[in-house]
Amino acid sequence: DIQLTQSPSSMSASLGDRVSLTCQSSQGIGNYLSWYQHKPGKPPKPMIYYATNLADGVPSRFSGSRSGSDYSLTISSLESEDTAIYYCLQYDEYPWTFGGGTKLELK
Amino acid sequence: EIQLQESGPGLVKPSQSLSLTCSVTGYTITSGYDWSWIRKFPGNKMEWMGYISYSGSTNYNPSLKSRISITRDTSKNQFFLQLNSVTTEDTATYYCARDTTDYSFDYWGQGVMVTVSS
Repeated sequence: DIQLTQSPSSMSASLGDRVSLTCQSSQGIGNYLSWYQHKPGKPPKPMIYYATNLADGVPSRFSGSRSGSDYSLTISSLESEDTAIYYCLQYDEYPWTFGGGTKLELK
Repeated sequence: EIQLQESGPGLVKPSQSLSLTCSVTGYTITSGYDWSWIRKFPGNKMEWMGYISYSGSTNYNPSLKSRISITRDTSKNQFFLQLNSVTTEDTATYYCARDTTDYSFDYWGQGVMVTVSS
């Protein structure tokens, strides 16, 4: 199975900070990587698909990028509503696999 | 608007079967895409379990292959998860979701928490 390693596993940042979360794939997956935001009591919310494309309704402060097998989700200016666990998912090869998640909190 | 909603028992005894239903509104499951089950464990690990496609074919995570079955009732626009021989390790929140392949999982149900305990 393809392993996705997310870092950091948790972090805290201040309002207005630029935040970058990373996801490293154990093998090539092209751009078949998506990001999800998960808050307690709600379903995961799609944020980014195909590595760099913003999902419908997602604020423009979110962006996705790729450098080789490293993928990033960046929040340009952190807002309080962005606190959540963020997961990456590869959908290049079955079984689809998720990263372990990054818990983002406010400092 | 496309909506998915999971339903099923919240408590299952060890060694028994877990059975969940995903009811879909706003889109006919035979029109396209794959329809997946995903679970999130206490401790936050997430696992894709498998899907049933719009044509009725299935694909399961090999980690579950001997215990899982995903079926559907097209007349009710529902699909189902059955997981056999459950243990406490199967305690999780279970989600159904639409898998568009290009857009990944674009619609999710609210999730149903299932506890395996005697």
